[in-house]
Amino acid sequence: EPEVTQTPSHQVTQMGQEVILRCVPISNHLYFYWYRQILGQKVEFLVSFYNNEISEKSEIFDDQFSVERPDGSNFTLKIRSTKLEDSAMYFCASSRVSQQYFGPGTRLTVT
Amino acid sequence: AQSVTQLDSQVPVFEEAPVELRCNYSSSVSVYLFWYVQYPNQGLQLLLKYLSGSTLVKGINGFEAEFNKSQTSFHLRKPSVHISDTAEYFCAVTESGGTSYGKLTFGQGTILTVHP
Repeated sequence: EPEVTQTPSHQVTQMGQEVILRCVPISNHLYFYWYRQILGQKVEFLVSFYNNEISEKSEIFDDQFSVERPDGSNFTLKIRSTKLEDSAMYFCASSRVSQQYFGPGTRLTVT
Repeated sequence: AQSVTQLDSQVPVFEEAPVELRCNYSSSVSVYLFWYVQYPNQGLQLLLKYLSGSTLVKGINGFEAEFNKSQTSFHLRKPSVHISDTAEYFCAVTESGGTSYGKLTFGQGTILTVHP
């Protein structure tokens, strides 16, 4: 069964550094998403992406964040200058229509 | 905008007992509803979904949920749980159309712990 994959599984970075989280969505999916889950809190929507542009973003998704689909398979989330409060599990998801399939997540630790 | 409330943060239960995990939502438009399960150190796996049609939906691993529009609820049930059902369960909602299509709003999660 096709699945969403994410790399790396765990990323440790220093405050102020740039990080890129990578995702490979399911190949025939059209919609792509990033969510995050701060430890002990609910899963929060960050951004959705369709037809090579952002279709919706939350207030969390400020100018420090960007997304890109650089080729036909990868979908990336970049955090330009990480803060301590960016420490969280980041989930990528993809869908054809209504059902979203989630990847296993990348745990980002900002020190 | 939508919101989801999962009324129980933790539910302990003995093996082979029935369980109900409660979920209420609010939305000004029609919605799709989902339950996801997260096992330790893993991603989110879809258990079941309600898009339209029958209000009783069946999912994987013997789980089912009933959509109640008047009570804006989508409670998850299983008649007999196993140790392997120990996990965190998330209720989620998305608008069935409009500008927020696809964006999932999650509840806080319910940790189900099944004891032998």
